Amino acid sequence: DVKVTQSSRYLVKRTGEKVFLECVQDMDHENMFWYRQDPGLGLRLIYFSYDVKMKEKGDIPEGYSVSREKKERFSLILESASTNQTSMYLCASSLSPTGGSNQPQHFGDGTRLSIL
Amino acid sequence: KQEVTQIPAALSVPEGENLVLNCSFTDSAIYNLQWFRQDPGKGLTSLLLIQSSQREQTSGRLNASLDKSSGRSTLYIAASQPGDSATYLCAVWDDYKLSFGAGTTVTVRA
Repeated sequence: DVKVTQSSRYLVKRTGEKVFLECVQDMDHENMFWYRQDPGLGLRLIYFSYDVKMKEKGDIPEGYSVSREKKERFSLILESASTNQTSMYLCASSLSPTGGSNQPQHFGDGTRLSIL
Repeated sequence: KQEVTQIPAALSVPEGENLVLNCSFTDSAIYNLQWFRQDPGKGLTSLLLIQSSQREQTSGRLNASLDKSSGRSTLYIAASQPGDSATYLCAVWDDYKLSFGAGTTVTVRA
């Protein structure tokens, strides 16, 4: 079974701090994704990566950056945390970039981040 | 921009009843469609992935259909159980990423 592991389930940080969210997958997937989930807004894509050191902006990249130095690890960085970044953050990975060959996207358990 | 809509937003049924969850999308040029389940405070669990060339996909009590031309998918859950209570999310693969609906929250009453 595919395992996507997010380093923290709950995290509390202060406004202005630099925040790192870590995600590791164990299935050698090329593609990794970061989403945030908010009530009433659903899941929205922040950034994705289709290879080591490659990254693409999603729908809401402002205020975030990412790092992918190794294939199995994808990090989301909040450069200067603000209260409007309080949210549930979900990491995902997939073998296919399109769901082809019956290769679904797999998700971690999420990190609930609170910015005070 | 792809818009994914799920109706109804919430559903409550007695145990044993069949569930029908609907998903529609505005741009039919999708690669594939995936259904997920989410329990409160948890991540997403993949249920079914339907390739764009398929009409339906089945797994146990779950069956999902896809009509690309009309921009619709339906998830059927047979003989519902209290353990099926969760939020069900539909997502379409397009432009190398997933676009999600807001979900249908299902409560199965014992």
